[in-house]
Amino acid sequence: DAGVTQSPTHLIKTRGQQVTLRCSPKSGHDTVSWYQQALGQGPQFIFQYYEEEERQRGNFPDRFSGHQFPNYSSELNVNALLLGDSALYLCASSPQQNSGELFFGEGSRLTVL
Amino acid sequence: QQQVKQSPQSLIVQKGGIPIINCAYENTAFDYFPWYQQFPGKGPALLIAIRPDVSEKKEGRFTISFNKSAKQFSLHIMDSQPGDSATYFCAASIAGNTPLVFGKGTRLSVIA
Repeated sequence: DAGVTQSPTHLIKTRGQQVTLRCSPKSGHDTVSWYQQALGQGPQFIFQYYEEEERQRGNFPDRFSGHQFPNYSSELNVNALLLGDSALYLCASSPQQNSGELFFGEGSRLTVL
Repeated sequence: QQQVKQSPQSLIVQKGGIPIINCAYENTAFDYFPWYQQFPGKGPALLIAIRPDVSEKKEGRFTISFNKSAKQFSLHIMDSQPGDSATYFCAASIAGNTPLVFGKGTRLSVIA
């Protein structure tokens, strides 16, 4: 049973560029959440998708957007990249909305130069 | 605004010792308090969780102690092993209603 898979694992972008990160949830899970983890910090909630709609959003600007597909996979898009967007982006899936038991992927490490 | 405050930032213990990691929360509506363990290069993984109707929960060598009046909870690792060396995060949420809010993490090193 595959867990949460994310791609790419690492990527480097320059300021002003755009990035798309992808996530496939654990089998049987229909809810996907995205978190940003800066170096030495805890994960910060970006948003959650359920039934292909953004259900909840954390304190992140509109430059951060997402999408969920009918097969429950999800994308995170970040536009107009800033140096401060450099972080590990974690995707987590759960069998229901706001479940406390999140299953995390290994993350996508984004470096913005 | 940090809703969950975690301490210490780092901790070094000898093998067999009992590291204790503490968390304090502000929102009295929180009713679900998990601990996650993260190894380098990996995503966080759920270790143990507690709800405020009990004051203590044990799972193997891991114990959560919960003090509702003080709005604090802590993780104890009994008979710690070098393999327990990882970063530990406390978190909190209103179960089924809000996403998890994480503390800043504690880097634990268990030395042989």
